[in-house]
Amino acid sequence: DTAVSQTPKYLVTQMGNDKSIKCEQNLGHDTMYWYKQDSKKFLKIMFSYNNKELIINETVPNRFSPKSPDKAHLNLHINSLELGDSAVYFCASSSTAAGGGQFFGPGTRLTVL
Amino acid sequence: AQKITQTQPGMFVQEKEAVTLDCTYDTSDPSYGLFWYKQPSSGEMIFLIYQGSYDQQNATEGRYSLNFQKARKSANLVISASQLGDSAMYFCAMRELTGGGNKLTFGTGTQLKVEL
Repeated sequence: DTAVSQTPKYLVTQMGNDKSIKCEQNLGHDTMYWYKQDSKKFLKIMFSYNNKELIINETVPNRFSPKSPDKAHLNLHINSLELGDSAVYFCASSSTAAGGGQFFGPGTRLTVL
Repeated sequence: AQKITQTQPGMFVQEKEAVTLDCTYDTSDPSYGLFWYKQPSSGEMIFLIYQGSYDQQNATEGRYSLNFQKARKSANLVISASQLGDSAMYFCAMRELTGGGNKLTFGTGTQLKVEL
């Protein structure tokens, strides 16, 4: 019954590695997002996809590449991980047809050593 | 200028009392939405309440209500009859509907602690 799911929940890796985070929503929403929450708990949009099309890219380094194979999935691939990439990454989804909230996944805590 | 300002980094309230968490916003977009989210220590982001800029009445959801004062650009969250489980970080957020791409812009959050 999970509405927005992310895997993995925790990710610990070395600098320079490449990693992916997967996100899936079963709410029938047409828009999906990636947010980053830093160590001070500040949340900031990274990307937004609507019907598999990129509509927001908030000056994120091009080491971060989102991929949306279909409306229900939005994955995040990160190349050449850096210490500063350590954060919690949240996937979210919403419906553009209706007002109302964005629904968030449980978050992925990424730690780069 | 900050788009969303939450001036209370931390708040304390006694159980069963009401508490107001402040949020002011800044936008020139006539169409926008205001949101509150709760983030408990477990880390998930829980959607609480939504107010549209054209809504005539203040939004309410159970013990949560949003005190929307458009002229003052404020959207304070009121939690009535606080419970221990309300202890969490609370974020105010705004979505600008014209050219905003549906993204949410968040405030810095208010850490609420409910005491016995």
